[in-house]
Amino acid sequence: KQEVTQIPAALSVPEGENLVLNCSFTDSAIYNLQWFRQDPGKGLTSLLLIQSSQREQTSGRLNASLDKSSGRSTLYIAASQPGDSATYLCAFKSNSGYALNFGKGTSLLVTP
Amino acid sequence: SQTIHQWPATLVQPVGSPLSLECTVEGTSNPNLYWYRQAAGRGLQLLFYSVGIGQISSEVPQNLSASRPQDRQFILSSKKLLLSDSGFYLCAWSAQTGELFFGEGSRLTVL
Repeated sequence: KQEVTQIPAALSVPEGENLVLNCSFTDSAIYNLQWFRQDPGKGLTSLLLIQSSQREQTSGRLNASLDKSSGRSTLYIAASQPGDSATYLCAFKSNSGYALNFGKGTSLLVTP
Repeated sequence: SQTIHQWPATLVQPVGSPLSLECTVEGTSNPNLYWYRQAAGRGLQLLFYSVGIGQISSEVPQNLSASRPQDRQFILSSKKLLLSDSGFYLCAWSAQTGELFFGEGSRLTVL
């Protein structure tokens, strides 16, 4: 069974801090890895997609990296803001099958 | 640009009643479509996916079924709901890049 682990499960930081969210996965034969944001009671918003041939992707204050050999991905958020408060989920798609395998997420709270 | 619509947003149904959740995608053709369920304290679970009209694959055996009557329409159904069917149901579509985009979700409570 393919598993995705996200650490920490919850994180509280003061506004302005840089932070790193971690994601580890068990399948090295991945097709891509995607980071999402989910606000309470809402659907998932795609933040970054990293293809298996890529090492990182950047969008604004967000940077995601992928290390297939170690089965790890990190999401770096620079200069955090209260509006960044949400649950962040990582998910990977393996080379076989259609499903994205999701972690349980990291709940982030950025305090003013 | 592409958008995905999902309805109803909230649904409260008695045990044994039928269910129909609908999802439509705009701005793209022949998308891969997905139904996921998110239960409290658990990760998202893929229920069904479809690569074309009338083509449905089920990932888990359950009380639910899916249909794709049109290219950009995906429907999740049940003939008789169980308590365990309660959850947050999310429709999604994938682009050529493999990136997955989700709808706003439908929260189902079975009483």
